[in-house]
Amino acid sequence: QQPVQSPQAVILREGEDAVINCSSSKALYSVHWYRQKHGEAPVFLMILLKGGEQKGHEKISASFNEKKQQSSLYLTASQLSYSGTYFCGTVGEYGNKLVFGAGTILRVKS
Amino acid sequence: EAQVTQNPRYLITVTGKKLTVTCSQNMNHEYMSWYRQDPGLGLRQIYYSMNVEVTDKGDVPEGYKVSRKEKRNFPLILESPSPNQTSLYFCASSFSGSSYEQYFGPGTRLTVT
Repeated sequence: QQPVQSPQAVILREGEDAVINCSSSKALYSVHWYRQKHGEAPVFLMILLKGGEQKGHEKISASFNEKKQQSSLYLTASQLSYSGTYFCGTVGEYGNKLVFGAGTILRVKS
Repeated sequence: EAQVTQNPRYLITVTGKKLTVTCSQNMNHEYMSWYRQDPGLGLRQIYYSMNVEVTDKGDVPEGYKVSRKEKRNFPLILESPSPNQTSLYFCASSFSGSSYEQYFGPGTRLTVT
């Protein structure tokens, strides 16, 4: 089942902060975050694993609430380069499928 | 350079004409998968492969076939393409399984008329 992302779109000015949320109805083993710029392939940002382990870029922060099956991606002091579509992906506790949400469009204006 | 390659990058074809989209990775990854991307729907997994000769259906496998005869290659086959398979297709690979960083190929834009 596809995770639900919110908001669907957000517009920021440079330097502002944003939070993107991802929610699933099933028990999760891991949550992924990727960013895709127009016309390009998705690029890995972070993985959060059940139990607290995180793998990803130092400048990106995210949280994973295992009890609520929710994750949030925190973008602080946004830059123009942060613009793109952000996807969360989830892997269930007992599966090998990676299921992506519909995406959140982020636009940073100068 | 570590990468996932896909060919062709762009393809326009007609209904019913069999086609294959190739995917190859040079990172010795065990896990490979195919996704299609449609506006407003995000990335939907078509098939995935845990290793050579091991494949399984994703969420939207109808109308597609795959094979994994070699570790580096994971071709996507459309035996009788239809217009509803017009989409942007991405191949991805990871070290081992779906809970590792996915490396995506550049994408293949397919149009079926």
